[in-house]
Amino acid sequence: KAGVTQTPRYLIKTRGQQVTLSCSPISGHRSVSWYQQTPGQGLQFLFEYFSETQRNKGNFPGRFSGRQFSNSRSEMNVSTLELGDSALYLCASSLQREGNEQFFGPGTRLTVL
Amino acid sequence: DAKTTQPTSMDCAEGRAANLPCNHSTISGNEYVYWYRQIHSQGPQYIIHGLKNNETNEMASLIITEDRKSSTLILPHATLRDTAVYYCIVRVATGYGGSQGNLIFGKGTKLSVKP
Repeated sequence: KAGVTQTPRYLIKTRGQQVTLSCSPISGHRSVSWYQQTPGQGLQFLFEYFSETQRNKGNFPGRFSGRQFSNSRSEMNVSTLELGDSALYLCASSLQREGNEQFFGPGTRLTVL
Repeated sequence: DAKTTQPTSMDCAEGRAANLPCNHSTISGNEYVYWYRQIHSQGPQYIIHGLKNNETNEMASLIITEDRKSSTLILPHATLRDTAVYYCIVRVATGYGGSQGNLIFGKGTKLSVKP
């Protein structure tokens, strides 16, 4: 079974631009979560989607948004990029059941210049 | 903030068992204990999880104390490829249709397996 895939793997943007990252979950997984990892803050939860609805949201500004499609694929968008948005963005998928584990993709490395 | 406490770093000799401790003294009755690891610059990898019973899979064993206030991840025969940051996480899961509960990562334990 294929794992979680994320595209692109690497991205370079400049301040003020916007970016869209894509995540395809494991087949059959309908829950998708996004995380940001930086050297200073570590791994931080961004948001969680299930059935095209945001179920949970972390403490990030409104510039960070996401959505989920009917095939469970998800995208996240960051508008008006800041230097501090440079990070590894990770997507994780899981089955919707009690205690189920999340499986992570390889991440998208975003660099903002 | 993370609800777990782990040592910052540990060393282990190749071929020996690696025992990684985790304290979660404020764990609630419906919270699971999860272990993930992250090899440099890769996405975190799920290892194992448990609620109150000890668990074992092909990667590791998870020992949870009876009061559930602490746990130990055991890698029975550590190899150089097990060098990684190991995260212990407690998480509420509400089941189908609800939020699965986000993972709150602390700083983890950096395990170095040495030849």
